[in-house]
Amino acid sequence: AQKVTQVQTEISVVEKEDVTLDCVYETRDTTYYLFWYKQPPSGELVFLIRRNSFDEQNEISGRYSWNFQKSTSSFNFTITASQVVDSAVYFCALSEATGNTPLVFGKGTRLSVIA
Amino acid sequence: SAVISQKPSRDICQRGTSLTIQCQVDSQVTMMFWYRQQPGQSLTLIATANQGSEATYESGFVIDKFPISRPNLTFSTLTVSNMSPEDSSIYLCSGLDRGTREQYFGPGTRLTVT
Repeated sequence: AQKVTQVQTEISVVEKEDVTLDCVYETRDTTYYLFWYKQPPSGELVFLIRRNSFDEQNEISGRYSWNFQKSTSSFNFTITASQVVDSAVYFCALSEATGNTPLVFGKGTRLSVIA
Repeated sequence: SAVISQKPSRDICQRGTSLTIQCQVDSQVTMMFWYRQQPGQSLTLIATANQGSEATYESGFVIDKFPISRPNLTFSTLTVSNMSPEDSSIYLCSGLDRGTREQYFGPGTRLTVT
């Protein structure tokens, strides 16, 4: 069975600090997809990234970066120079290889960035 | 990217009544799913909405309580039946983009049952 674990339930940082959100997953599939979503206080889910299990290259998008380590089944998310607008709940998720299946979500990490 | 809309965006309902939530997606979407997010919790899959046939429900969710329809590729409804305060949640519709296979979510329906 698939499982996603986000051990950090809440993180609080001061603006401009860097912060890393951890995600560990379990799956029996050899190929799969990993995702990160952001849920701001307004409630909508904002897609951030999808990563195929074959692609272990780290990715950077502006202040966001993702570190995928298949050896440790982790897909961590780092925000550099955090801003108040980054305050949200962040979910890590996993789906089967076909990509045609629903997502299994972690419990989420609530990030508060304090000015 | 796929565009998904839901209505109503929020509602306050009395226990024992039913509410139907509508989800409209654009033509890029193939699969559609319904999730529930209870207060302060993560998302839990309710069911996969199948076009023209009965939805596929996850363990713990039944058709009598959460009937789902998907009459065509771009539209689905979820009904929350005989509501109780425990049904107070955000209900989210999602669609799988045909081209990118990225899964996009609607804005959610925030339901409060009194």
